[in-house]
Amino acid sequence: QQQVKQSPQSLIVQKGGISIINCAYENTAFDYFPWYQQFPGKGPALLIAIRPDVSEKKEGRFTISFNKSAKQFSLHIMDSQPGDSATYFCAASPPGYSTLTFGKGTMLLVSP
Amino acid sequence: SQTIHQWPATLVQPVGSPLSLECTVEGTSNPNLYWYRQAAGRGLQLLFYSVGIGQISSEVPQNLSASRPQDRQFILSSKKLLLSDSGFYLCAWSMGLLYNEQFFGPGTRLTVL
Repeated sequence: QQQVKQSPQSLIVQKGGISIINCAYENTAFDYFPWYQQFPGKGPALLIAIRPDVSEKKEGRFTISFNKSAKQFSLHIMDSQPGDSATYFCAASPPGYSTLTFGKGTMLLVSP
Repeated sequence: SQTIHQWPATLVQPVGSPLSLECTVEGTSNPNLYWYRQAAGRGLQLLFYSVGIGQISSEVPQNLSASRPQDRQFILSSKKLLLSDSGFYLCAWSMGLLYNEQFFGPGTRLTVL
């Protein structure tokens, strides 16, 4: 029940296309959903996060869509660029909890 | 602003040797601190976390240990390294507030030969 299932494992998108990464969870106590971006050899960086009181959050080309009834959330990268090529991790946590539950990651490659 | 440091950046150690990786956070007080391991091309495995000095929670039983001798210092240790200990070790911190916004350090690449 603590798992966060992330898909796909890897994704190839053409430059200018939309990259979509999905995550699903079971624990209805989760109420904080961040996404991290990790470049090779670097630590993950917090990209964007959402709470379930909103269905969508947008920051530049990155958008989180949240579906509380389906217990799913997704990351959309609009106008994908080669510089977006990285591994993306979704995560979730209940309120006041000390740890995050991470998905297994999605390796995104944006072809020029 | 807050900054997290890890050292060393890379380390090559023989099997059976000891290990000490250090993580320090600047610009905040009483943070939650975390150690993660990431195998090549794999996800993030939480090893230890600490909500205060001297308080360590272990997520995975193994030959590693962690200590928090100071408020903003977190150390990962081993008495005898195994080949399977190779990986990318990441330290992270959070403010321990209602929402667990974690920030990661640059990582240490450990190779055990």
